[in-house]
Amino acid sequence: QVQLVQSGSELKKPGASVKVSCRASGYTFTGHVMNWVRQAPGQGPEYMGWINTNAGNPTYAQAFTGRFVFSLDTSVSTAYLQISSLKAEDTAVYYCARGGWSGGFSSWFDSWGQGTLVTVSS
Amino acid sequence: QSALTQPRSVSGSPGQSVTISCTGTSSDVGGYNYVSWYQQHPGKAPKLIIYDVGSRPSGVPDRFSGSKSGNSASLMISGLQAEDEADYYCCSDAGGSTVVFGGGTKLTVL
Repeated sequence: QVQLVQSGSELKKPGASVKVSCRASGYTFTGHVMNWVRQAPGQGPEYMGWINTNAGNPTYAQAFTGRFVFSLDTSVSTAYLQISSLKAEDTAVYYCARGGWSGGFSSWFDSWGQGTLVTVSS
Repeated sequence: QSALTQPRSVSGSPGQSVTISCTGTSSDVGGYNYVSWYQQHPGKAPKLIIYDVGSRPSGVPDRFSGSKSGNSASLMISGLQAEDEADYYCCSDAGGSTVVFGGGTKLTVL
């Protein structure tokens, strides 16, 4: 069955960087795009963008340009989210989510990772 | 984009039906037949329950149904069960290969 397994919780100081991983199994990794979603404490999900797992090119939502980088290692079926210059307001659970359509961009997400809590605090 | 508008909370008794609304604009909900709904229990990842306005993934009970009219979409849950108590989020294609989520609705089963 499809599984997305994310790396564990992180505690970082303001200004530091963090890299979250999302390892996929149970399907052909390059057959579906991978999306990233942020959920701040007590808030609804916020769409960060997606990465084409075939071509490797990322697309970022407007609010997530500059400090956020999506990348891949297709040899181990893993997607990564790197956030630099962390701020307190980046404290959130970050999810990877598989695009539901086996083509390009999909507006629905049929499998989600368990989430990675990133806490930014001095 | 602004988040889609959902009621903060709804409630119903076991066996009853409830409807959760999701209001957007002509640039998102009204412009595309690509509305999805997610169920999220506390401390868990969201789970897809409806996609493309009214389609259900395999394994999702037919008690869950979705519809859309104009700039608004709706999720109906019939035959409420205790395990339906959760947060529900709508999501819509917003053009330009991006989506926008709703603010969420907390469903309480009385």
